[in-house]
Amino acid sequence: DSGVTQTPKHLITATGQRVTLRCSPRSGDLSVYWYQQSLDQGLQFLIQYYNGEERAKGNILERFSAQQFPDLHSELNLSSLELGDSALYFCASSVEAGYEQYFGPGTRLTVT
Amino acid sequence: ILNVEQSPQSLHVQEGDSTNFTCSFPSSNFYALHWYRWETAKSPEALFVMTLNGDEKKKGRISATLNTKEGYSYLYIKGSQPEDSATYLCAPSNTGNQFYFGTGTSLTVIP
Repeated sequence: DSGVTQTPKHLITATGQRVTLRCSPRSGDLSVYWYQQSLDQGLQFLIQYYNGEERAKGNILERFSAQQFPDLHSELNLSSLELGDSALYFCASSVEAGYEQYFGPGTRLTVT
Repeated sequence: ILNVEQSPQSLHVQEGDSTNFTCSFPSSNFYALHWYRWETAKSPEALFVMTLNGDEKKKGRISATLNTKEGYSYLYIKGSQPEDSATYLCAPSNTGNQFYFGTGTSLTVIP
């Protein structure tokens, strides 16, 4: 158990809908990272937050957004969902950039 | 986007063999190199984070080296065991804190 929690574990929704994925980092970690793993692609970095502020952006679509709250939990919002958004979404946390990242169990999103 | 290459793509070794994998990445704007171990149906598990050229890290039978000038890292496993079977991912990050994962090396250790 990495100490990072993600909810929900599974999510099934229809195209055009909006969902929110939630992540609670390990105690003491200030950085949160979001990753997407699609069937046909490897792990893709989406976005990083540090202590409430956006630190780095990767291949995140404009339909996706994220935020980190004062209690350091983070949410990834996915809107206008398309079939291609079906993927495993991981959250990871670390003390700071350049330190080991601890991955949560992931949220499996299926868009039908 | 960083072009991260890992080789070989897959590897089958006998229990007790030692093995190594390579991660190649562009050396410009380099910040850190992460190695992960990823077992099927689990989450990636951090092995090492290296930042300095010439860095060497070791955890049990697994070790890694880093060459930031030429843009590569090696991961070594000494005396492979069946429980080492997993996909090994490398992920360099740049000075903008963006991460780029390789496609991984899938290791199968045959008892």
